[in-house]
Amino acid sequence: ILNVEQSPQSLHVQEGDSTNFTCSFPSSNFYALHWYRWETAKSPEALFVMTLNGDEKKKGRISATLNTKEGYSYLYIKGSQPEDSATYLCAFIFGGNDMRFGAGTRLTVKP
Amino acid sequence: DGGITQSPKYLFRKEGQNVTLSCEQNLNHDAMYWYRQDPGQGLRLIYYSQIVNDFQKGDIAEGYSVSREKKESFPLTVTSAQKNPTAFYLCASSVPGLSFPDTQYFGPGTRLTVL
Repeated sequence: ILNVEQSPQSLHVQEGDSTNFTCSFPSSNFYALHWYRWETAKSPEALFVMTLNGDEKKKGRISATLNTKEGYSYLYIKGSQPEDSATYLCAFIFGGNDMRFGAGTRLTVKP
Repeated sequence: DGGITQSPKYLFRKEGQNVTLSCEQNLNHDAMYWYRQDPGQGLRLIYYSQIVNDFQKGDIAEGYSVSREKKESFPLTVTSAQKNPTAFYLCASSVPGLSFPDTQYFGPGTRLTVL
């Protein structure tokens, strides 16, 4: 069984703080990694698709990095805002045909 | 507007009854998926379909059945054989692409409670 681990499980920060969290995955058979944002009462939305070791993606204040050799991806949020409050999911795709989701990191940004 | 709809939002059923969850998309996506979420766990794949009239079992297909008669629709039936059906169910579809799986677009989910 290939497990995807996300840490921390939950995170509380103050508005304006920068934060980051981790997605760990098996380093063998890597195909791609997806990050999704899931706000309460809404549908998960895609943030990034990462495919190459060393990839760095950015969307506004949110960025992500990928290290396939050691099996992790970091998601960074610079200057967190209350609207960033959500659960952030990563999904590891291996062998081109299978996808495994982590349990997510629940971020709460306090005004 | 294009998107994925799931109905109903909340569903209650008595133990021993079958129930069908609806998933419709107007995004013209070939692939569709059903996931289940339980507290503290990641989304787990129940079934997926890459094309009309074809579908494959995911990791936890036991006690579930699906059909894909139309491109837009991928209903999931939770049968009485599913031992622990109370969960949140998400449907998704993906953009036709050269590789599988692609970025997925999710519906709002159905919360099923077995009484």
